[in-house]
Amino acid sequence: DAGITQSPRHKVTETGTPVTLRCHQTENHRYMYWYRQDPGHGLRLIHYSYGVKDTDKGEVSDGYSVSRSKTEDFLLTLESATSSQTSVYFCAISTGPRERLAGELFFGEGSRLTVL
Amino acid sequence: TQLLEQSPQFLSIQEGENLTVYCNSSSVFSSLQWYRQEPGEGPVLLVTVVTGGEVKKLKRLTFQFGDARKDSSLHITAAQPGDTGLYLCAGAQGNFNKFYFGSGTKLNVKP
Repeated sequence: DAGITQSPRHKVTETGTPVTLRCHQTENHRYMYWYRQDPGHGLRLIHYSYGVKDTDKGEVSDGYSVSRSKTEDFLLTLESATSSQTSVYFCAISTGPRERLAGELFFGEGSRLTVL
Repeated sequence: TQLLEQSPQFLSIQEGENLTVYCNSSSVFSSLQWYRQEPGEGPVLLVTVVTGGEVKKLKRLTFQFGDARKDSSLHITAAQPGDTGLYLCAGAQGNFNKFYFGSGTKLNVKP
């Protein structure tokens, strides 16, 4: 199994409070991603990182910010959580493309966030 | 609106039947991947297709990438209960680094 750890695995919070989810990898992979998964929507890309301090927005980035100060850690922050952000959040890592072939994504076990 | 649309969204079949799952987009992708996800776990890669028209076989699973690299299909022959799970297609854009997923197909194979 790829060395990816997400924390916390479960969290219940109230609307308006800040929340930070952490993704830690031991694989030294360059690329890291945050996705959210909701019924009927598959996985939707929130933000991704292609190196330390290098990040880019995904499909559903509004209301989320990220930071990557070290290769191994990628943080997802909800500055002021809303009920619409209740979801399961997955972190993924990838080596990146090799010989024009897209790299494989390795996923963490997910973090279930409930915003009341 | 997601870049990739999958159909059907749900599929419940008997063991031994064949099935096809479709993944469609109006965008062109550098490559298309298929993942399988079981409850409580993250998705796991099944296959990557890169060339338009490419067909790849993985035991009872056959994957095809459309000629225009906008769509893909997954065909399972003689489905087994162990095939039960959520199947997701994913397209890579932006120099292969950005992965967008489809809405998913939840497959249930009954014994």
